[in-house]
Amino acid sequence: AQSVAQPEDQVNVAEGNPLTVKCTYSVSGNPYLFWYVQYPNRGLQFLLKYITGDNLVKGSYGFEAEFNKSQTSFHLKKPSALVSDSALYFCAVRDLGAGRRALTFGSGTRLQVQP
Amino acid sequence: EPEVTQTPSHQVTQMGQEVILRCVPISNHLYFYWYRQILGQKVEFLVSFYNNEISEKSEIFDDQFSVERPDGSNFTLKIRSTKLEDSAMYFCASSEKRDRVVNTGELFFGEGSRLTVL
Repeated sequence: AQSVAQPEDQVNVAEGNPLTVKCTYSVSGNPYLFWYVQYPNRGLQFLLKYITGDNLVKGSYGFEAEFNKSQTSFHLKKPSALVSDSALYFCAVRDLGAGRRALTFGSGTRLQVQP
Repeated sequence: EPEVTQTPSHQVTQMGQEVILRCVPISNHLYFYWYRQILGQKVEFLVSFYNNEISEKSEIFDDQFSVERPDGSNFTLKIRSTKLEDSAMYFCASSEKRDRVVNTGELFFGEGSRLTVL
């Protein structure tokens, strides 16, 4: 079964500082990995994905994520946080080995960027 | 940019009533999904739909739930007899373009329908 863990319920960071939101996954085969962002009372918005190739993937709004197969991690990063980055972030996985198309989401991490 | 649209944005219903939530997926997508989110917490998979039939469903998706694609554009989620614990935000999503050789699987979500069961 595929699963995703986001160990931090909330991450606090000062504006201008780098941020990291952690994600680890468990799948039976090769994973497709995704990050989504949710602003208050809105739907989930796709940020970036890892499919294959370069372990560092870049996405929207200056975010990037690093795929680490040995640690089964896919942490979301940004070099310099903005107050407007404050939102709920979800990591998600699709297990190609299981032949599923539905994504399994983590529990979410609330990012709070202080001015 | 094409998007997934959902109606209603908010529905209040009495326990035991039937509710239908409607979605219009992105027009050239092949897979459709319903997820739910309780109180801004975890996003839980309910069901996926492909080629006019359910392709996957979770344990949450019991006999009280059903999905339908009644015409070429709408995708509906029906809850037959709502319970208090069905109160949640329900998200529709779609994926995989019909004319693309390789699809990488990201889902495109609507803005959600908030269901409140009293």
